[in-house]
Amino acid sequence: DAGVIQSPRHEVTEMGQEVTLRCKPISGHNSLFWYRQTMMRGLELLIYFNNNVPIDDSGMPEDRFSAKMPNASFSTLKIQPSEPRDSAVYFCATEVGQSGTDTQYFGPGTRLTVL
Amino acid sequence: AQKITQTQPGMFVQEKEAVTLDCTYDTSDPSYGLFWYKQPSSGEMIFLIYQGSYDQQNATEGRYSLNFQKARKSANLVISASQLGDSAMYFCAMREGNGFQKLVFGTGTRLLVSP
Repeated sequence: DAGVIQSPRHEVTEMGQEVTLRCKPISGHNSLFWYRQTMMRGLELLIYFNNNVPIDDSGMPEDRFSAKMPNASFSTLKIQPSEPRDSAVYFCATEVGQSGTDTQYFGPGTRLTVL
Repeated sequence: AQKITQTQPGMFVQEKEAVTLDCTYDTSDPSYGLFWYKQPSSGEMIFLIYQGSYDQQNATEGRYSLNFQKARKSANLVISASQLGDSAMYFCAMREGNGFQKLVFGTGTRLLVSP
């Protein structure tokens, strides 16, 4: 079975440019999470979707960040304009439903470097 | 307040020996789930093992077992017969209640397995 798919795996861009990160969840998983990982702050939950609807975006750091899930098979996280402090690894994770016992499965992550 | 505490920033173990990675948690919710993830140097987050608060027995998955002591609020990961490939960061995480609650991660423990 294919796991969570993220693209690109690595992205290097210059400050001010738009960055789009992509995620394809595991088939049948109804919940999708975007995380950011940095050395300083560890793993932070940015936003969560359930059945394609954003449920909690309180972790999105600024208006420069936006996320969409147009269908059950695809989600994007966009940063516009990007800044050097956005450099991090961005993970997409999915799970079957909305139960406390559900396991989240992570994608391989996108390593973003903003120069 | 920190809900998940991993007090060991780093651990060393020799190949073929067992190692215990500590995790304590804080919650007043009687229903919760505890998770362990492995993050090798390649960066991906790999789900290892899950323990529910109502589970009567300690969870086991191959060489991984979870030493669940509910009264002490600890959920230590035990890796038996360590292998060189076990060298990685290990994260403990907790989700409270039923329905959506955030998966809260600890700061991680870096395990180094030596030959």
